[in-house]
Amino acid sequence: GQQVMQIPQYQHVQEGEDFTTYCNSSTTLSNIQWYKQRPGGHPVFLIQLVKSGEVKKQKRLTFQFGEAKKNSSLHITATQTTDVGTYFCAGGYNTDKLIFGTGTRLQVFP
Amino acid sequence: SQTIHQWPATLVQPVGSPLSLECTVEGTSNPNLYWYRQAAGRGLQLLFYSVGIGQISSEVPQNLSASRPQDRQFILSSKKLLLSDSGFYLCAWKRENYNSPLHFGNGTRLTVT
Repeated sequence: GQQVMQIPQYQHVQEGEDFTTYCNSSTTLSNIQWYKQRPGGHPVFLIQLVKSGEVKKQKRLTFQFGEAKKNSSLHITATQTTDVGTYFCAGGYNTDKLIFGTGTRLQVFP
Repeated sequence: SQTIHQWPATLVQPVGSPLSLECTVEGTSNPNLYWYRQAAGRGLQLLFYSVGIGQISSEVPQNLSASRPQDRQFILSSKKLLLSDSGFYLCAWKRENYNSPLHFGNGTRLTVT
């Protein structure tokens, strides 16, 4: 079956430093979605990538979809304390379900 | 606009007791509905999903079950809880389109003692 791996599991950064999390699928994806979960909260949808090689930006966040549509990354420039949380990728495979990655927990120290 | 309601927010149950968690969606029709479980500090495990009334797909064999008695109602149940059933249970909905995003409820934090 499909599996989605995400690294690193944890990342601690100083405020102002950059952060990147990587997502890899065992099989080709139809789309990749990214979610953010604040401590104690529920996952909230951030963005979706569909096209091979696609790059999307949301302010300080940059999302990339690999050429082979099997990997993706989320990069945050100049982290802020408000970026704290767990970031999940979720893989779509042209089915009704999404397979979530294991998540990367980001801690930002002021 | 669409909203999703999930209750209760927290629950403490003894081992062997039954469980019923309810989730309802407003403002949309024929949504796909999902139950995920998240162990402490871990990822999201898909338990069940439904694409229509009475249609349930089970992803993980266990002592839990799900039902969809109405279009916008999704229920997670157990006849006898195990300690390993503790976790954060999240209900979510999405449109029928494969590429639609998931919208999560606030979750139920279940502790089995």
